[in-house]
Order: sequence, then structure tokens, then C-alpha cells
Amino acid sequence: AQSVTQPDIHITVSEGASLELRCNYSYGATPYLFWYVQSPGQGLQLLLKYFSGDTLVQGIKGFEAEFKRSQSSFNLRKPSVHWSDAAEYFCAVDDFGNEKLTFGTGTRLTIIP
Amino acid sequence: DAGVIQSPRHEVTEMGQEVTLRCKPISGHNSLFWYRQTMMRGLELLIYFNNNVPIDDSGMPEDRFSAKMPNASFSTLKIQPSEPRDSAVYFCASSLDASGDTQYFGPGTRLTVL
Repeated sequence: AQSVTQPDIHITVSEGASLELRCNYSYGATPYLFWYVQSPGQGLQLLLKYFSGDTLVQGIKGFEAEFKRSQSSFNLRKPSVHWSDAAEYFCAVDDFGNEKLTFGTGTRLTIIP
Repeated sequence: DAGVIQSPRHEVTEMGQEVTLRCKPISGHNSLFWYRQTMMRGLELLIYFNNNVPIDDSGMPEDRFSAKMPNASFSTLKIQPSEPRDSAVYFCASSLDASGDTQYFGPGTRLTVL
């Protein structure tokens, strides 16, 4: 069965610093890959997704992610975080041909002034 | 666009009571998903529908849980009887139709079973 691993439960970053959130997946083929963000008390919002082609994808709010097939990774990055980026971030995988999303356990991001 | 609408936003009930959660997907979306989020188990897919037909309910925890989608604009998730371990946030999401389509999430219903 496919799985998604987010090894960092909680990350603290200073405002203005760069950010990288890790995501690894276990699947035989290249699945569809997603990053969602959840602000406190809110539903999940899509940041970006990767299907094929250019392995560096751009998303909303200045986020980007890079797919690395050799490492089965899809890490999320932002060059300079803002206090409003404090939230929980989820990586997710969708089997090709299957609408079901498998989510990672999430990484909670705290921003310090 | 109003987005995915869920009601109620909060529900507190006593063990043994029936609970019904409601969802209105985005107009024009053909797929609807019910998720449960807990600290212990994270975000789990319970069931999803395509064109009002249940496609996969393998995530439904047990017979106490049931879901229906009588038409394209409404779905319910029912728990009967409810138990304290059902306490969680339940999310509804909808998407256009196909694998890889963006799922749009509602704000969730926070359920507390005493």
C-alpha cells in the first residue's frame, strides 16, 4: 500500500527565514503529489500539485515544491516565510487513476518574530 | 462561489445519540469525499462518491457509520449510535471528477461525543 511520510512533526522558523518541509512517499509509479495547508480551525487548502513534466512546481503564497524521483521525495519550500504562514502542512498522494488521497501526518509550522 | 458548505460547525452530543453531519459540495463537482481528522490517526478518508454513487467506503470504521448522497448537491454522514471515540473533526471535500483534480475542503464539523 502506498504511504506518505512527513518526518518533521513540528518546525519553528524565524520570520524572513527560508523553509523546507519534507515529504517522502512509497509507491511503485509516479503518483500525483499534493501539498495542502490547514490554518487553525479551517479546512485544507491546496498549495500546489505535481502530475508530470517540470519537477519544480510553483504554488500559491510563494511556495514551491520539487519532485525527486530518485529520492521519492516532494519537499515544499519557501524562500522567506511570513507570520501568516504559521499553519499545519500536509503532503498527499493520489494513485494514478484513483481519486483517493493518502495524507501524511502533517508538519506544524511555527513562526517566531 | 460559496465553496463546500458543512453543517453544523460544532456538535456536542451524548454517547448513544444519533449524529447527522451535512455537506453541500461545490456546484458542478461530481466527486464528494468524507474525511475524519484526529490527533491519533491524522486525516483519514472515510468514503467517497462519484455522481452520487458510493465508490469506496473501505474507510468507514464500522456499521455505526453510514453516508448517503441523494442528489448532486447534498450528502450526509450519520453515526448511530455515537461513541466518545467518534469525537473528531469531520471534513467534506468535493472535486470535479477525475484523479488528480483538486479537492476543495469544507471548514469541517467538530464533533464531541460525551
